[in-house]
Amino acid sequence: GQQLNQSPQSMFIQEGEDVSMNCTSSSIFNTWLWYKQDPGEGPVLLIALYKAGELTSNGRLTAQFGITRKDSFLNISASIPSDVGIYFCAGRSNDYKLSFGAGTTVTVRA
Amino acid sequence: EAGVTQFPSHSVIEKGQTVTLRCDPISGHDNLYWYRRVMGKEIKFLLHFVKESKQDESGMPNNRFLAERTGGTYSTLKVQPAELEDSGVYFCASSIGRINEKLFFGSGTQLSVL
Repeated sequence: GQQLNQSPQSMFIQEGEDVSMNCTSSSIFNTWLWYKQDPGEGPVLLIALYKAGELTSNGRLTAQFGITRKDSFLNISASIPSDVGIYFCAGRSNDYKLSFGAGTTVTVRA
Repeated sequence: EAGVTQFPSHSVIEKGQTVTLRCDPISGHDNLYWYRRVMGKEIKFLLHFVKESKQDESGMPNNRFLAERTGGTYSTLKVQPAELEDSGVYFCASSIGRINEKLFFGSGTQLSVL
């Protein structure tokens, strides 16, 4: 599969903060997806983006499909403790296979 | 409705031993996928079943890995003999259709090869 560069690798959040993470690729994708993995669970789909430039929200989450089709970002507004977990971006190209990023681990700042 | 279930949740084995992982997809999901995440890295595709047939096994690392889905229901992934680099979390996922963003993942099997 294609290589996705996801950043940051990890972040510490304080309750109430807005946080942002992104994914870039050298390849073009037709679909960008964002998943969240809670501890001890499998990844769960948060947001799916199907069109370049598309901006989609799901509650406090907002994600955008980059105009170049090679990048996407995810914003979490007013973070709460249950936002901790690992967030994965994934891109789908014409062969229908998903390529995943390495994940962004979100932890609550003590 | 039951989700995707994987067994065992954890497995610790020694190098050279054999391990078999099992996945029960959501009932009615023809598409079943195996993925692996090595610590800190990306989730990597291993293979894709449509019912009992292997649609794509291009991600299987080598011939020490054997996946089956007899009868098109549950699937097993056997590693024989296991090597240190096989350690990681093995995820199974299922979907109704081939356009697989509507993937439902299991909780994974954490495999540690010592």
